[in-house]
Amino acid sequence: EVVMTQSPATLSVSPGERATLSCRASQSLGTNLAWYQHHPGQAPRLLIYGASTRATGIPARFSGSGSGTEFTLTISSLQSEDLAMYYCQQYNNWPPWTFGQGTKVEI
Amino acid sequence: QVQLVQSGAEVKKPGASVKVSCKPSGYSFGDNYIHWVRQAPGQGLEWMGRINPNTGDTNYAQKFQGRVTMTRDTSIRTIYMELSRLRSDDTALYYCARECGSSGWCHFDYWGQGTLVTVS
Repeated sequence: EVVMTQSPATLSVSPGERATLSCRASQSLGTNLAWYQHHPGQAPRLLIYGASTRATGIPARFSGSGSGTEFTLTISSLQSEDLAMYYCQQYNNWPPWTFGQGTKVEI
Repeated sequence: QVQLVQSGAEVKKPGASVKVSCKPSGYSFGDNYIHWVRQAPGQGLEWMGRINPNTGDTNYAQKFQGRVTMTRDTSIRTIYMELSRLRSDDTALYYCARECGSSGWCHFDYWGQGTLVTVS
């Protein structure tokens, strides 16, 4: 099973600042990695797939990078609506499809 | 537009079973695998399994083998996830999610609104 490790667990950022979230995989994934945003009580929302491709309707301030075992999600200028949990997920070696434990972005 | 609509909240006693439904719309029912993911209180996202709506073929997470059953009813285009022998730690939000394709090497592009299952 591929273990996904996200850091930090909590990221405190001021509105307008840059947020950088990390995700590390225990095995190489190529670019078979996705990022999801999750507000409490709502459905998770796909942000990034293929490590760096923004999903439909996702603002340009969200960007993804990386390959292999190291990945990064960057929010270039944090907006209040970006306060949420963020999960990375691998879909390279399955089953199971595995998620990181999440990074909480807060003010 | 693509939507996945899930059934409503459930309260169950320990040892009972629960069956949650997920009704996709806005695309061809058989074109995409459907996965189930849960989130327990204060925890992250946990993959439970997936089903091929065309064939009924399933893959289950080892943790849930023997307790989870995923089925589909093609006549009403609905997917079901049944979890048996419920325990208090099965209390969670249960989501269905559409795989973007049918190969496995694909992200989850649409999610249901979630179904709260409380075991108490």
